[in-house]
Amino acid sequence: GQNIDQPTEMTATEGAIVQINCTYQTSGFNGLFWYQQHAGEAPTFLSYNVLDGLEEKGRFSSFLSRSKGYSYLLLKELQMKDSASYLCAVRPFDYKLSFGAGTTVTVRA
Amino acid sequence: DAGVTQSPTHLIKTRGQHVTLRCSPISGHKSVSWYQQVLGQGPQFIFQYYEKEERGRGNFPDRFSARQFPNYSSELNVNALLLGDSALYLCASSANTGGSNQPQHFGDGTRLSIL
Repeated sequence: GQNIDQPTEMTATEGAIVQINCTYQTSGFNGLFWYQQHAGEAPTFLSYNVLDGLEEKGRFSSFLSRSKGYSYLLLKELQMKDSASYLCAVRPFDYKLSFGAGTTVTVRA
Repeated sequence: DAGVTQSPTHLIKTRGQHVTLRCSPISGHKSVSWYQQVLGQGPQFIFQYYEKEERGRGNFPDRFSARQFPNYSSELNVNALLLGDSALYLCASSANTGGSNQPQHFGDGTRLSIL
């Protein structure tokens, strides 16, 4: 089976930094994805990691350690529009994504 | 370019009925995946189709079925609807089965409510 854990909720102040952790135990590994989902909308792709290390894309960065089954998504210079659910998803096989339950981030003024 | 499109946007059915949900992938994408998202949870994998062939199936009962057409659009069918089938059904497309760094791109989903 697949087990993907991430915190349920996080709150941060506008302009601050937030780190969302994700730990996983899956039967295979072909990459880890982070998606952003605003309430009532579709998940949108943020980042992809398949090798250990840090991937940076503007204000968002994602880190992976395959040996530890661990990833994090770092959101810098938080904006109000960053309030959303952030989904960690592991691709155990080529044909599917296994998602965590999502972390709801609330950005306060 | 148009993204993944799904229809209908919302649907209300009663227990025991049947439903068909439709999805058109991004132009050039040959792979379509279906997910069920219950409120407060992450999406759960139902099916993936690539080049009209089923490539994977999640842990869902046989009441759930799908197919992919020659134009790569797809339908998800659910028979004998149960109250627990109430969810957001998401369709995602990718250029291939998902190898390499090809992300899946999601449509806005169909909100299915069972009364």
